[in-house]
Amino acid sequence: DGGITQSPKYLFRKEGQNVTLSCEQNLNHDAMYWYRQDPGQGLRLIYYSQIVNDFQKGDIAEGYSVSREKKESFPLTVTSAQKNPTAFYLCASSGTSEKLFFGSGTQLSVL
Amino acid sequence: AQKVTQAQTEISVVEKEDVTLDCVYETRDTTYYLFWYKQPPSGELVFLIRRNSFDEQNEISGRYSWNFQKSTSSFNFTITASQVVDSAVYFCALDLLQTGANNLFFGTGTRLTVIP
Repeated sequence: DGGITQSPKYLFRKEGQNVTLSCEQNLNHDAMYWYRQDPGQGLRLIYYSQIVNDFQKGDIAEGYSVSREKKESFPLTVTSAQKNPTAFYLCASSGTSEKLFFGSGTQLSVL
Repeated sequence: AQKVTQAQTEISVVEKEDVTLDCVYETRDTTYYLFWYKQPPSGELVFLIRRNSFDEQNEISGRYSWNFQKSTSSFNFTITASQVVDSAVYFCALDLLQTGANNLFFGTGTRLTVIP
């Protein structure tokens, strides 16, 4: 089935540790996105990429990094500089229809 | 500045009741898209509808209908004869199409609980 796969579903980070969230899509979409969702809040854009080897900061990029070496993959690293990383992270992709397709998310918690 | 407001944080209805979820947006752009997404307990957001700013026709899809009014900057969503499976968080979002990529501004969501 075509879609977006995020892994792991749950992730725990220790103080000072970097962690990487995986996002893979087989929809042949050019654009991919990372959003952060906090309880009672809407989604906020962290980073997005319109093509391979290119990406732009969203509204809350500080403390995060991304790479886009392959069209199918857009991993997000939560660095130790992100002081409040506990949140639900959603990856999305879009083709030509301006409609976002979302993965099932990763819940990141701090130990 | 752009903003999406969903003033209803939580709504509870009894099964088979109709329910309307409100969405008010702010933008100075004349060209934009509006979206509704559903987030069930599984977590992923499910696309429901996209409406562009030049199309004010209301839309009906089964038990779902949407009322877009530019005069009041509103894009409300009505579920008719609600069912337990409709229980979810619903997000309204605005896309200004400024960068060529989809940079959606989301509201804070409305949690709908349908009681059997």
